[in-house]
Amino acid sequence: IQMTQSPPSLSASVGDRVTITCRASQNIINYLNWYQQKPGKAPNLLIYGASTLQSGVPSRFSGSGSGTDFTLTISSLQPEDFATYYCQESYSMPMTFGPGTKVNIK
Amino acid sequence: QVQLVESGGGVVQPGRSLRLSCVASGFPFSSYTMHWVRQAPGKGLEWLTLTSYDGVNKYYAESVKGRFTISRDNSRNTLYLEMNSLGYEDTAVYYCAKGVMWNFPGLGYKDVWGKGTAVTVSS
Repeated sequence: IQMTQSPPSLSASVGDRVTITCRASQNIINYLNWYQQKPGKAPNLLIYGASTLQSGVPSRFSGSGSGTDFTLTISSLQPEDFATYYCQESYSMPMTFGPGTKVNIK
Repeated sequence: QVQLVESGGGVVQPGRSLRLSCVASGFPFSSYTMHWVRQAPGKGLEWLTLTSYDGVNKYYAESVKGRFTISRDNSRNTLYLEMNSLGYEDTAVYYCAKGVMWNFPGLGYKDVWGKGTAVTVSS
């Protein structure tokens, strides 16, 4: 399964609504996870099962989608949200990650 | 506190071997799937391998199949990654990550990650 993300990068301001798209090359139902990674740090799970918020993750993060098309939305971007975001399918091996979307400060 | 601590990284010559370790604490290690994921400098995340909670089932990415071996010692709460025939393309930070419980329906997610250990393949 191939995973693509768009855009590869974006610039946004604090308070903006940000949407990142992830597309799978075949139907993965809802077996889709989202991770946030800050420079020099390990990834952090945000959402699993396409739309379930991981415990402790702020509610401004949300996920949606099914089949092949998925989105991660940050409703109001905060300073600590500037990072790279990765989707990953968990439908089948080899649990491919998307290439990432870097969210920059405008 | 749930924690994963990797060790064993370093500088190694091409063609040589290295073994990474990951010590887990704060959760029932023997009940969870465990993974290794790596990240080459300036690149994205690459899933490498997973082992089932009991070490019976193992899966590998094509890029490391036949060269890397995942194993676990549940009595020591430790995950391993044996890496053989290392090449320059294996230079990366290697993360271990906690997967889902043995009875989870599906491959699941990785909710706890170590800080990573750096491997540099250089002559």
